[in-house]
Parts: sequence; C-alpha cells; structure tokens
Amino acid sequence: ETGVTQSPTHLIKTRGQQVTLRCSSQSGHNTVSWYQQALGQGPQFIFQYYREEENGRGNFPPRFSGLQFPNYSSELNVNALELDDSALYLCASSLDRAGDTQYFGPGTRLTVL
Amino acid sequence: ILNVEQSPQSLHVQEGDSTNFTCSFPSSNFYALHWYRWETAKSPEALFVMTLNGDEKKKGRISATLNTKEGYSYLYIKGSQPEDSATYLCASVNQAGTALIFGKGTTLSVSS
Repeated sequence: ETGVTQSPTHLIKTRGQQVTLRCSSQSGHNTVSWYQQALGQGPQFIFQYYREEENGRGNFPPRFSGLQFPNYSSELNVNALELDDSALYLCASSLDRAGDTQYFGPGTRLTVL
Repeated sequence: ILNVEQSPQSLHVQEGDSTNFTCSFPSSNFYALHWYRWETAKSPEALFVMTLNGDEKKKGRISATLNTKEGYSYLYIKGSQPEDSATYLCASVNQAGTALIFGKGTTLSVSS
C-alpha cells in the first residue's frame, strides 16, 4: 500500500508568483484535505476535495484554489504569492470525511521571498 | 473554548518517566477528536480517533481518554523512551465534518 506523497519537497518563489503543489493520495482514498502550517502554529485547514468536488473550505482567500483528479490525486494552487504564504503545506487523504483517520504526506516547504 | 488548545507547549522528561498532555476543544457540536504524533522530518502519524464520551484508547505505551461533555482529552505515555520524542497534535473535527481543527501541539523531548 503506497502512502501519501507530495511534490516538490521544497520550493522557493518570489512575491507575486504562482505555485502549484501536488499530492498523491493513499490507494483507495477518495478524499484529500490540504493544510497550511505556519511557523509556531498548528496546521490550518485550507480545503477538502471529495470525488473531484470541493467539500469544504477554511478561511483562506480565493487565490488559494485546488483540483482533484479522477485518480484522486490533488493540486493546490496559490496565485499572487505573499510573504505570509511561506509555510509547510500538508495534504492528507482519507476514506471519507474528516471523522475518519487522515493519512498525511511529508509536506512541501514553500518559501516566498 | 473557541479553539483547540494544548498544554504544555513543550516538555522534557527522562527516559522511563511517564507523562501526560492535555487537549481542550469546543464541547458543543462535538464530532470526533484525533491525536497525531509528528516526528521531525516525517509525516504526522495518526494515533487515535475518538468519538464517544468516556472513550479510552491504547496503543502500546500510549493511551488517551476523552471527555466530550467538558471538552478535553488526555494523552498518556508510560515509561517514555527517546523514540517517543516528537510533537503530539490533537485536532477536533469541525461541525461540518470536513476539517480537522488543530491545536499548536505539545513537543516532547525524552533524554536517555
């Protein structure tokens, strides 16, 4: 059974640029959630995708968007990067809603200069 | 309590010591409570998902209890080992059942 993978591991961008982060969910999981962890904070919920549709969204602006593909892998896109977007981005897959155990990837570390 | 809060923020114990952490969460509209262990440079690892008031779960030397009426959960580690060194996160599931609302975590350091 393959675990959750994320790419890239690290990324450096400049303010105003756009970035795409990728996540492959665990085999058999149809739900992917994305979280942002800023320094000194717990992970903050960005949004969740269930069977290719957005199924919930946290308090993040529209420049944070996502996609889920038929194979249940997912992308997180961030436009017009700001310095405060520097963080660790985690994705997690699960069999169903957040009540089920979520299996996390190792994260992508984004630095915005 | 509007947010999920964890205490202490960090602690340092000696090998063999037993320890416990606290997670406080909103008791209204409770859905589920998750505990994760997060070692440096690794993925967060699920420890427990708890749903019922009075629930107790155990995994090896680690156990957890849940009180949904007063909104708290305790995580216990018996006989701490250096490999238990990690950040322990708890998360409450939001009312919609779609998101984990995390605390800031408790970072445990165990010295041999």
